[in-house]
Amino acid sequence: SQTIHQWPATLVQPVGSPLSLECTVEGTSNPNLYWYRQAAGRGLQLLFYSVGIGQISSEVPQNLSASRPQDRQFILSSKKLLLSDSGFYLCAWSVLRDRISYEQYFGPGTRLTVT
Amino acid sequence: AQKITQTQPGMFVQEKEAVTLDCTYDTSDQSYGLFWYKQPSSGEMIFLIYQGSYDEQNATEGRYSLNFQKARKSANLVISASQLGDSAMYFCAMREGRGQGGKLIFGQGTELSVKP
Repeated sequence: SQTIHQWPATLVQPVGSPLSLECTVEGTSNPNLYWYRQAAGRGLQLLFYSVGIGQISSEVPQNLSASRPQDRQFILSSKKLLLSDSGFYLCAWSVLRDRISYEQYFGPGTRLTVT
Repeated sequence: AQKITQTQPGMFVQEKEAVTLDCTYDTSDQSYGLFWYKQPSSGEMIFLIYQGSYDEQNATEGRYSLNFQKARKSANLVISASQLGDSAMYFCAMREGRGQGGKLIFGQGTELSVKP
């Protein structure tokens, strides 16, 4: 069966510090991968998605970046964190469910607090 | 642009009763998929149920069913026989766009509280 891992689970970082969040998927090949952010009490906002190694699409202009160095690894990074980067970051992978849609499964998430 | 609207920020239901969580959507695509996710306080997003736009029957998964009314562009989630463990945030989502990616757009969520 497929599983998705994220680490760390929680993170407290000062403003201006770098960030690296990692997501890995097991039990599948060539998944579509996604990074979402959820502010407190809000819905999910798609940040990046990737359909293959080295292929990254950005949805929202910001000081974050994403990379996919391996098929089942997705990394979210920042060179200098802002206070507004605080939130709950969720990684997801998707599988084609039927001819028109994908089913997405989420990792456990990373709760980031920028101080 | 595609959009998902959940108009109920919070809902209460008595244990063992049924509850309906509302979701309306807006899209010009003929082919689309609708999803419901549950997010307990732990934060994980749990997939509950899916409805394709071409599906003629309403989707069901155990105690969850999706009341799909295509003409009204609504995809309400019905939870039967509520349990205390159903207390959580519930998000409606729609697959956006065509081709690869399978990107989802989410509503703002409904917080469900089940009373004993």
